[in-house]
Amino acid sequence: QKEVEQNSGPLSVPEGAIASLNCTYSDRGSQSFFWYRQYSGKSPELIMSIYSNGDKEDGRFTAQLNKASQYVSLLIRDSQPSDSATYLCVGDSNYKLTFGKGTLLTVNP
Amino acid sequence: NAGVTQTPKFQVLKTGQSMTLQCAQDMNHNSMYWYRQDPGMGLRLIYYSASEGTTDKGEVPNGYNVSRLNKREFSLRLESAAPSQTSVYFCASSGRTGGDTDTQYFGPGTRLTVL
Repeated sequence: QKEVEQNSGPLSVPEGAIASLNCTYSDRGSQSFFWYRQYSGKSPELIMSIYSNGDKEDGRFTAQLNKASQYVSLLIRDSQPSDSATYLCVGDSNYKLTFGKGTLLTVNP
Repeated sequence: NAGVTQTPKFQVLKTGQSMTLQCAQDMNHNSMYWYRQDPGMGLRLIYYSASEGTTDKGEVPNGYNVSRLNKREFSLRLESAAPSQTSVYFCASSGRTGGDTDTQYFGPGTRLTVL
C-alpha cells in the first residue's frame, strides 16, 4: 500500500512567519512530488512540483525533497492570511497520484 | 477556456438510485481521473483513463463504472447508490500519458449525498 503521511496539524502561524509543512512517503518508486493547496469547499490547485533531490524555490514557497529519507517538505515564507488552507502532499508513481490527508494551515493576522 | 467542468454541483440520492456524474475538459488532455474526497481520508482515486479508449481501476473502484466517451469527456456512474458513497467527487485531467506525470487540473467537484 503506497502511503503519503503528513504531519497531522492543524498548524497555526502568525502573519509574516514561516510555515513548515512536512510529509513522508512509502513508495521508493515515486519520482515526482507535488504540493496542492485546497481552500475550504474548493478543488485542489497545484502550487509546487519537485522531481529532484534538493530545494526548489518559487516566490515565497520552497519545496524540499530528500529521496534517501523519503521526505518532502514545503516552506512558506512571509505567511499571509490568504495562505490559510489545507495543503496536500502528493506523490506520483507511474502517473497515478497518491495524496496525503492534508495539513490545515491557519495564518493569523 | 473553462478548464475542467463537472455536473451536477450538488446531488441528493436515495439508496439504490443510479446516477451519472459528468466531466469534461477543454485542454486537449489525454488523461482523466475520478477521485472521491472524504473527511480524514484525503483524495482517493476511483478510476482513471490514460488515453481515449482506455480505463483502469484506481484505489476504490467498487460500486462505480466509468466511460471515456471521447477525448474531452469522462463520466462516472453509480449503478445502485449506497450511503457509503456520500462524498465529494472530483474529476481531474492531465496532459501526458505513460510514465511521466503532468500537472493534474481539478474540476470544481460534485457534492453527493446518499440517504
